[in-house]
Amino acid sequence: RKEVEQDPGPFNVPEGATVAFNCTYSNSASQSFFWYRQDCRKEPKLLMSVYSSGNEDGRFTAQLNRASQYISLLIRDSKLSDSATYLCVVIPSGNTGKLIFGQGTTLQVKP
Amino acid sequence: DGGITQSPKYLFRKEGQNVTLSCEQNLNHDAMYWYRQDPGQGLRLIYYSQIVNDFQKGDIAEGYSVSREKKESFPLTVTSAQKNPTAFYLCASSIGGLSPLHFGNGTRLTVT
Repeated sequence: RKEVEQDPGPFNVPEGATVAFNCTYSNSASQSFFWYRQDCRKEPKLLMSVYSSGNEDGRFTAQLNRASQYISLLIRDSKLSDSATYLCVVIPSGNTGKLIFGQGTTLQVKP
Repeated sequence: DGGITQSPKYLFRKEGQNVTLSCEQNLNHDAMYWYRQDPGQGLRLIYYSQIVNDFQKGDIAEGYSVSREKKESFPLTVTSAQKNPTAFYLCASSIGGLSPLHFGNGTRLTVT
């Protein structure tokens, strides 16, 4: 089993739709979680951290479910500019310095 | 402005040559990382360094070497021993611990 798994998609949705991505992780002691966005042929950029109580940033909501070992990203009112690959990132327990990246989920928002 | 600078953006080399990719940061971050990304693939960790004069192998270190003589700099050398060096190389840094990474713009290396 991979340490961090994401559905690669692609997710094809119309503008204005709500879309959700899940990311599962295998290490139950993982401590820190993030969502990154990567545009084609560009570097990943931090979208948001994921907090235990869940957190929201505009149209984006991130949630953590420790019992089932997954994090989620919900995008409401999708825009064409949301088209990108979304990467989940997990920092395992301990201060090893290693971050584990998922393979990414590709979102394509259509007009 | 603080940030991470990778140079060059595009690099072309002949097979059998070593090549060094530059990564400089002025964020005063302790930890620095090198990742490789192939088309349609996720990021794979090559090397990382949590402090000056120390670094650890990542998941795909074979054929690569690094140095961390200064806090600001973490150059990556792709040696002739790397079988498939053509890829997109990303450098990143962080405060360390449980903090997220900040990435440079990447270097696209093509070896023919």
